[in-house]
Amino acid sequence: NAGVTQTPKFQVLKTGQSMTLQCAQDMNHNSMYWYRQDPGMGLRLIYYSASEGTTDKGEVPNGYNVSRLNKREFSLRLESAAPSQTSVYFCASSETPESQPQHFGDGTRLSIL
Amino acid sequence: GQQLNQSPQSMFIQEGEDVSMNCTSSSIFNTWLWYKQDPGEGPVLLIALYKAGELTSNGRLTAQFGITRKDSFLNISASIPSDVGIYFCAGQLNTNAGKSTFGDGTTLTVKP
Repeated sequence: NAGVTQTPKFQVLKTGQSMTLQCAQDMNHNSMYWYRQDPGMGLRLIYYSASEGTTDKGEVPNGYNVSRLNKREFSLRLESAAPSQTSVYFCASSETPESQPQHFGDGTRLSIL
Repeated sequence: GQQLNQSPQSMFIQEGEDVSMNCTSSSIFNTWLWYKQDPGEGPVLLIALYKAGELTSNGRLTAQFGITRKDSFLNISASIPSDVGIYFCAGQLNTNAGKSTFGDGTTLTVKP
């Protein structure tokens, strides 16, 4: 009964380091999403994958890359971390691209020094 | 891009009181969504609205899709301490969840 699982839960990086955030869902959902949430703000979409094999840019894609490894897994990579990328990152999934993100992970809290 | 304004930004209420919050946009949306986020967790979808004028309930929560399609309202009746959290609205223009726009949230505090 895991739903959406994100790893790691916390991470501290130095400027310029790279890192991959992992996300997996066990609900056989077609669509997956990566959001960032900054203090006092709502979620902003970084990238999404409507179905296995496809990815599209969201509202704030610069500085990030994604991989839809298979139907279950959708990873987010920071190639050269910057302090402006300090945020809480949420992965989400939905049954289809037309349905709303219903299931969110508990987030990865990322600090970049 | 599209902007959503949620108000109020925060609310402090007594247990048992009713709560109203709203979300307005300068643009039309075809779908309105309401989420709740507990501290340290991801958002949970509460209610989805698909048609102008639609009124939908989920337990003590009732949400409405404004007839202008530029606003939505969420009401919570007889608040309880576990209602504490941040409530987010989100709007979608197209039938593509990847294009949702989120508001900045209303933080609700309920005093027992």
